[in-house]
Amino acid sequence: QQQVKQSPQSLIVQKGGISIINCAYENTAFDYFPWYQQFPGKGPALLIAIRPDVSEKKEGRFTISFNKSAKQFSLHIMDSQPGDSATYFCAASMKAAGNKLTFGGGTRVLVKP
Amino acid sequence: DAGVIQSPRHEVTEMGQEVTLRCKPISGHDYLFWYRQTMMRGLELLIYFNNNVPIDDSGMPEDRFSAKMPNASFSTLKIQPSEPRDSAVYFCASRPGSRNTEAFFGQGTRLTVV
Repeated sequence: QQQVKQSPQSLIVQKGGISIINCAYENTAFDYFPWYQQFPGKGPALLIAIRPDVSEKKEGRFTISFNKSAKQFSLHIMDSQPGDSATYFCAASMKAAGNKLTFGGGTRVLVKP
Repeated sequence: DAGVIQSPRHEVTEMGQEVTLRCKPISGHDYLFWYRQTMMRGLELLIYFNNNVPIDDSGMPEDRFSAKMPNASFSTLKIQPSEPRDSAVYFCASRPGSRNTEAFFGQGTRLTVV
């Protein structure tokens, strides 16, 4: 059972454009929603995270929007740069389950110069 | 701290052989996770430990897979016997036991079973 669904699988954006990645979850017990960034040959690294009591969180060019009623959250990358080209994973976890991360399928982002 | 350290980085083995992957978590982290990454299935949690004790191994695909954490600074994931479908990148991750839920990943071990 895929508990976190992510879309699109890939996207291409021009330098300076906005990248938007969407995720939907099923389990309402999830209480932590991070986004991880992964470069080729590297492990995923935390980019930004949000808890369900907040509807939006911004860190630099990266923003998470969270819709609790719709059980959806999204990552917006503003002013996309070639260095942002990577695979992005949304995830969800719950304290009751040891905060183990359940990942979405990933989105490969390519930013063209 | 050097972060989570995994070895080897790459492993090529023949079907039927035993494979052991190793992980050194970040010092002081109470939780250790083993993940597997494939194109088809993405990132899957195999097992996680809390204070060296296995808590949830429901993601371990078969009895051929086993994991141990003999002390706070070392964990192994063993596959015996290995099969071609086990080919994947295996990641180890650790995190503190505090409310901070960020998990820190190692660079992974790319396993190829031929």
